[in-house]
Amino acid sequence: SAVISQKPSRDICQRGTSLTIQCQVDSQVTMMFWYRQQPGQSLTLIATANQGSEATYESGFVIDKFPISRPNLTFSTLTVSNMSPEDSSIYLCSVYRGRRDTQYFGPGTRLTVL
Amino acid sequence: GNSVTQMEGPVTLSEEAFLTINCTYTATGYPSLFWYVQYPGEGLQLLLKATKADDKGSNKGFEATYRKETTSFHLEKGSVQVSDSAVYFCALSEGGGNKLTFGTGTQLKVEL
Repeated sequence: SAVISQKPSRDICQRGTSLTIQCQVDSQVTMMFWYRQQPGQSLTLIATANQGSEATYESGFVIDKFPISRPNLTFSTLTVSNMSPEDSSIYLCSVYRGRRDTQYFGPGTRLTVL
Repeated sequence: GNSVTQMEGPVTLSEEAFLTINCTYTATGYPSLFWYVQYPGEGLQLLLKATKADDKGSNKGFEATYRKETTSFHLEKGSVQVSDSAVYFCALSEGGGNKLTFGTGTQLKVEL
């Protein structure tokens, strides 16, 4: 398995502000993924972050709203910009391990926007 | 595109009851199939997986068999415990390194 940590674990933010979420992995990985889990919903992939290149965003998600950094092979950040209450969710990062057929998830960041 | 359909919850069972959570999928190729579990207040954990037809994944008393003919991957446990109370997600991925497609999740509540 992989050891993945996220900071912060939770936060309460005001409308219109931005929050940056950090994801740290215990070993080098090529791809890191960011997911969103809205209240009572399943997980939706926001983007895939490769080191040294621009993140690839899924339909419905844009870089201006969710800018991602990937400065090295063990770390990534996701920023939730100009937040509104609709952004209240759990945000999770994940990585592949083994033969790249199994994803492991971080503990998540629980965001509440007032 | 790919999709995963799970039985709706919540499912409420008495301790030691038999559990089945249905999961069916649609995929263009030959996906790998997964069950993830999310305990209250925690992140997602991999419970079990199967990577090809007729494979059986198992962990912590849970089992699921990859049925290509019925495109299903139902989760079963013979005797549930209160500590199994959680949300269970069925998921698939096609090809190594590809994204996961999740079902909507099924909440399980086990009572004494």
